[in-house]
Amino acid sequence: GNSVTQMEGPVTLSEEAFLTINCTYTATGYPSLFWYVQYPGEGLQLLLKATKADDKGSNKGFEATYRKETTSFHLEKGSVQVSDSAVYFCALSDRNTDKLIFGTGTRLQVFP
Amino acid sequence: NAGVTQTPKFRVLKTGQSMTLLCAQDMNHEYMYWYRQDPGMGLRLIHYSVGEGTTAKGEVPDGYNVSRLKKQNFLLGLESAAPSQTSVYFCASSYAGSGNTIYFGEGSWLTVV
Repeated sequence: GNSVTQMEGPVTLSEEAFLTINCTYTATGYPSLFWYVQYPGEGLQLLLKATKADDKGSNKGFEATYRKETTSFHLEKGSVQVSDSAVYFCALSDRNTDKLIFGTGTRLQVFP
Repeated sequence: NAGVTQTPKFRVLKTGQSMTLLCAQDMNHEYMYWYRQDPGMGLRLIHYSVGEGTTAKGEVPDGYNVSRLKKQNFLLGLESAAPSQTSVYFCASSYAGSGNTIYFGEGSWLTVV
């Protein structure tokens, strides 16, 4: 079945460092791909999404490109801030079941 | 701008007790969902609804029941709570299916002792 695999955390970075959080997926057909972010004590909120191959989603300095050839949707940011500390979830929409499938989440900790 | 509202935020239950988590959304969304979040497991779908009066099982439905009597509300019930149901529960809604943005509530922390 469809699935999402994320790199395990926590990812610990200093402020202004470059961030990559890896995400790969297994899916039949052409799913939409998403990154959601969960700040401490809050629910998840959509960070960015891409609906077809080679699309790039971007928001708040984060970006991710839908790579069909490598079945990946890696999240990147050029210069992280302390306020980016959160848990990041990669997800795909399963068009067969019409459900969203989440990865296990990657915790990012940014220190000043 | 309320969005998705869950009550209660925190609850401690004894094994065998029952309770209902309430979820309300004011965005006129058709789809509503209940997830649980456990360390190392990500989010797992418990039950969902594609419209008023409908419900369907998700990935981990055992021990839970749901009802969607009104479009804006989605209730999650635990008939006989077990320690394995200690978790953080998130309600969510979306305009249509999984390709659309899903909006989450702030979560309900449930502890079963």
